[in-house]
Amino acid sequence: DIQMTQSPSSLSASVGDRVTITCRSSQYIDKYLNWYQQKPGKAPKLLIYDSSSLQVGVPSRFSGSGSGTDFTLTISSVQPEDFATYSCQHTYSIPWTFGQGTKVEIK
Amino acid sequence: DVQLVESGGGLGQPGGSLRLACAASGFTFSSHWMHWVRQAPGKGLVWVSRISTDGRRSDYADSVKGRFIISRDNAKNTLYLEMNSLRAEDTAVYHCARDHERHRAFDLWGQGTMVSVSS
Repeated sequence: DIQMTQSPSSLSASVGDRVTITCRSSQYIDKYLNWYQQKPGKAPKLLIYDSSSLQVGVPSRFSGSGSGTDFTLTISSVQPEDFATYSCQHTYSIPWTFGQGTKVEIK
Repeated sequence: DVQLVESGGGLGQPGGSLRLACAASGFTFSSHWMHWVRQAPGKGLVWVSRISTDGRRSDYADSVKGRFIISRDNAKNTLYLEMNSLRAEDTAVYHCARDHERHRAFDLWGQGTMVSVSS
C-alpha cells in the first residue's frame, strides 16, 4: 500500500497568514492527490482534486501543487472559517489511503 | 437536497455483525461509484471499500477483506455495508462517500454513523 505522510501534524496561524501543508507519498502517484477539510463532527469536504484543481465552490485562497511524490496545499490568507483539519488522499491505486491529517489552529 | 445519510450504527459485540445503510438523494445514484470510509476516534480517515455503479465490482481494504461486504440497491438509492466478525479495532465513525463522476475524488460525504465494538 502507498503511505501518505503529512507535515506538520498541527500548526498555529493568525487570520491573514499564509499556511502551507505538505504531503509526501511513499511511491509515485502522478497527479492523483486530493485535499479535504474536516471540522469537528462534520463530514469531510473536498477542496482540491488531481493535485491542483479547485473543487467547485471552494474559495480561491486554497491552492494545491505538486506531482509524483511531493504535494502542497496552500491557504493564501487564512480566514476564521478555515481553522480545521486538512487531509491528503492519493487515488493512484487501491487502497486510496489518506494522510494522518494536519490540524490548523488559531494562534 | 443533494445528500448522503448513513444509518445502522450502534454497539456491536466482538464477533458479531452490523449492517450500515447510506441513503442517497438529489442526484443520480446509479451513475456513481460509492465508497465507505471510516475514522476511529481521534484518528485519521481510512478508506474501507468501494463498489461500482452496477454493483458487480468491489474492492476492500486488507483490514476488512473477508469480513465486510459492500453492496448497493440502485432502485432504492441505497448503499450498504455488512460488517461481520466485528473487532474492537472496527470502532469508528463510518462515512459513505460519492466518487466524482470524472475525477478520482470524493465530492460528497455523509455525516457518518458511529460503530462501537465492545463486550
